[in-house]
Amino acid sequence: LAKTTQPISMDSYEGQEVNITCSHNNIATNDYITWYQQFPSQGPRFIIQGYKTKVTNEVASLFIPADRKSSTLSLPRVSLSDTAVYYCLVAPGDSGGSNYKLTFGKGTLLTVNP
Amino acid sequence: DGGITQSPKYLFRKEGQNVTLSCEQNLNHDAMYWYRQDPGQGLRLIYYSQIVNDFQKGDIAEGYSVSREKKESFPLTVTSAQKNPTAFYLCASSTPGEDEQYFGPGTRLTVT
Repeated sequence: LAKTTQPISMDSYEGQEVNITCSHNNIATNDYITWYQQFPSQGPRFIIQGYKTKVTNEVASLFIPADRKSSTLSLPRVSLSDTAVYYCLVAPGDSGGSNYKLTFGKGTLLTVNP
Repeated sequence: DGGITQSPKYLFRKEGQNVTLSCEQNLNHDAMYWYRQDPGQGLRLIYYSQIVNDFQKGDIAEGYSVSREKKESFPLTVTSAQKNPTAFYLCASSTPGEDEQYFGPGTRLTVT
């Protein structure tokens, strides 16, 4: 499985756009990039997944360059409630769709200040 | 409401005792997983099951056991052989064709 590297922590202020970058130099051809969010003492929650270029949903955008060796999670206009740990994961997108080999690193603790 | 439930939220046990953590889902998902999370760390996979009556070891299965007799249920037993059982335990489920794993609220186990 491809290893991911992301910053340990980031600070931001309410209303700002936050970009969290993740590097995954050894990503395989059939790997997808997935981001999860975790609040203290809760289970992680899926945010977004992508394979290449740009993916956008109601919560975030995911930018993936052509070489796919990195990705950037973009959170528009963060609020205090976005304070959480954000995990970048790389996992095979098999035909079954069950990513049973998910590997969660330490993630990035995003702190949003007033 | 569909989802995953874990009970209890907090669990305390004496060293040397086995303890079973409950995980139930009504999402009709085929696959279920158990993760362990230590303070300031990511999640580590303990066991997973892709179908009823079948399960596989994850990265840190030693000292744990599971069963999958029903599609909805995937209980985890923390045995006395687990050297450092105190942790936050998370159960998840997923289904083919969907990209994400759905997590339960977790059980915080403290062994003294």
